[in-house]
Amino acid sequence: QVQLVESGGGVVQPGVSLRLSCAASAFTFSGYGMHWVRQAPDKGLQWVAFIRFDGNNENYADSVKGRFTISRDNSKNTLYLQMNSLRVEDTAVYYCARDFHTKALDFWGQGTLVTVSS
Amino acid sequence: IVLTQSPGTLSLSAGERATLSCRASQTVNSNYLAWYQQRPGQAPRLLIYGASSRATGIPDRFSGSGSGTDFTLTISRLEPEDFAVYYCQHYGSLVGFGQGTKLEIK
Repeated sequence: QVQLVESGGGVVQPGVSLRLSCAASAFTFSGYGMHWVRQAPDKGLQWVAFIRFDGNNENYADSVKGRFTISRDNSKNTLYLQMNSLRVEDTAVYYCARDFHTKALDFWGQGTLVTVSS
Repeated sequence: IVLTQSPGTLSLSAGERATLSCRASQTVNSNYLAWYQQRPGQAPRLLIYGASSRATGIPDRFSGSGSGTDFTLTISRLEPEDFAVYYCQHYGSLVGFGQGTKLEIK
């Protein structure tokens, strides 16, 4: 069964950096694009970033562009999200999700909580 | 493209039919319209892609329809586990979600 496991969340102060990881298993990771999606407490889903299967194309939401970087290591079956200059409004559960034929997101991890607070 | 879902909250009983709406601010290619279910404390689950195709393992009581700017998710007969929040999503150069519809037990 496809499995995505996020890690790296925690409580941090505004302005600092944090890197999230998403370990993938039970599918050919190098063949799929991947996404990060976040959900602030008691709010809806907000797409954050996408990376192509080979890492050669990335897209970002305007709210994180220039601060966040999505990357992947296909040799380690792992997706990353480098988050710099964190803001209070970045507080959310961060999910990684697999791309489904550039139409939808078909498998999701359970998420990792990032809390940005002074 | 902005997706607006209605109603914000829908109160129904088990066994009833649920109709959830998703309206786009401009015409959407229906190939790139999807629906998700999110139960409390869980990750979202893909229900429908391409506006009307059920994802693997999704019961046939879930159906999607629509085109242009108006899309609908229908649950024919509500089961207890269907009470959750539902999101529509458009996949374009960027990905966007509607604000969600909460389906609650009446």
